[in-house]
Amino acid sequence: DAGVTQSPTHLIKTRGQQVTLRCSPKSGHDTVSWYQQALGQGPQFIFQYYEEEERQRGNFPDRFSGHQFPNYSSELNVNALLLGDSALYLCASRKGRYWGEAFFGQGTRLTVV
Amino acid sequence: TQLLEQSPQFLSIQEGENLTVYCNSSSVFSSLQWYRQEPGEGPVLLVTVVTGGEVKKLKRLTFQFGDARKDSSLHITAAQTGDTGLYLCAGARGSGNTGKLIFGQGTTLQVKP
Repeated sequence: DAGVTQSPTHLIKTRGQQVTLRCSPKSGHDTVSWYQQALGQGPQFIFQYYEEEERQRGNFPDRFSGHQFPNYSSELNVNALLLGDSALYLCASRKGRYWGEAFFGQGTRLTVV
Repeated sequence: TQLLEQSPQFLSIQEGENLTVYCNSSSVFSSLQWYRQEPGEGPVLLVTVVTGGEVKKLKRLTFQFGDARKDSSLHITAAQTGDTGLYLCAGARGSGNTGKLIFGQGTTLQVKP
C-alpha cells in the first residue's frame, strides 16, 4: 500500500516563475492538506482540500492556489515566486475531513533563485 | 505568534541518557500529535493523544497530554543514536479535528554514540 507520494522531490525555479507541485494521497484517503516548512521551522498550514473544494486556508497570499481532482490527488500552484518561497512543501492526507490521523509525504524541496 | 512552543529547540545527549521534550500553549487543543522527521523527509506520526491526562507509551517513548489539554511532553528513556531527528508536536483545535494542524517549531535531537 503506497503512502502519500509527492512529485517532484526537488525543484529549482527563478524568481517570478510559476510552479506546480503534485500529491497522491494514501489509498483510502480523501482529504489533502498542504504545508510549507521553512528550514529549521515547523510546518505551516497552507490549505485543505476535500470533495474537490478548498475548505480551509492558512495565512498565505493568493499566489498560493490549489486543486483537487476526482481521484483525490491534489496540486499546489505558486505564482510569481519569491526567494522567501524556498521551502519544503509537504502534502498530508487523511480519511475524512474532520477526523482521522494525517499522514505526510516526503515533501518537495523548492529552491527559488 | 507561536501557538505551540517547544522546548528545548536543540538537544545533544549521549546514548543511554534520558530526555524530555515539552510542548506548551495557552490554547486548548482537541488533540495533539507527535511526529518525528528526518532530513529531507516528511514527518512520521508517532502518537495521537486526545484525552486530558492521557499517557501513551511506544517502546522507550512516553507521551503525556496535560490535564487541561494545553500542553504535552515526550520522554525518551535510554536514548539510542537511531532516535536522532526533529521532533514536532502538532495540535488540532475546535470541537472536531478540522484538518488544520498547528505545529511547534520542533526540537532537534542529536544522540551521540
